[in-house]
Amino acid sequence: TAGITQAPTSQILAAGRSMTLRCTQDMRHNAMYWYRQDLGLGLRLIHYSNTAGTTGKGEVPDGYSVSRANTDDFPLTLASAVPSQTSVYFCASSDSGSSSYNEQFFGPGTRLTVL
Amino acid sequence: GQNIDQPTEMTATEGAIVQINCTYQTSGFNGLFWYQQHAGEAPTFLSYNVLDGLEEKGRFSSFLSRSKGYSYLLLKELQMKDSASYLCASTDSNYQLIWGAGTKLIIKP
Repeated sequence: TAGITQAPTSQILAAGRSMTLRCTQDMRHNAMYWYRQDLGLGLRLIHYSNTAGTTGKGEVPDGYSVSRANTDDFPLTLASAVPSQTSVYFCASSDSGSSSYNEQFFGPGTRLTVL
Repeated sequence: GQNIDQPTEMTATEGAIVQINCTYQTSGFNGLFWYQQHAGEAPTFLSYNVLDGLEEKGRFSSFLSRSKGYSYLLLKELQMKDSASYLCASTDSNYQLIWGAGTKLIIKP
């Protein structure tokens, strides 16, 4: 049972370079999310998608873009990385992004360091 | 604004009981989640409350008071494997989860 997979596990990236973090789920969940987690702060939502073909901005979207071409995949792209984007990135999914019971399932995370 | 408050760190003894508190203030409310996160791992679901009262699930229980904007997670018969961070999250009016910074629980033998 795979659930949600993320790639890469970790990455060191030079400032100014672009990168795409990959996320794939096999639970046929409608909603998917990207969070970043920094020490001393809660998970912060970057972008989300309530269904394939739609995306929305979260709390901290600047510098990131997403696409949702199909149900399973939700890649996150950093067009020009900056050191403040150093963080652990979690992808998550849930059956529905528009109901009160929004239990989210998380991938293992990608640890990104921007130098 | 939206805000979730929980203690940064707590220490407890193996076999004892610990209560982790969470207060929330969100635009609208559609339920309160607790997640467990071991160091270096992903958060995993523990409990969900949408109505006032206590929900019990084995050694873990979660309580909600909507009028007070307050919840707690109660862990009984603590085991060393319970050493982890516990994340409180409130569901806002847009059904998005607003997360607290987490409470790091240290269990001592």
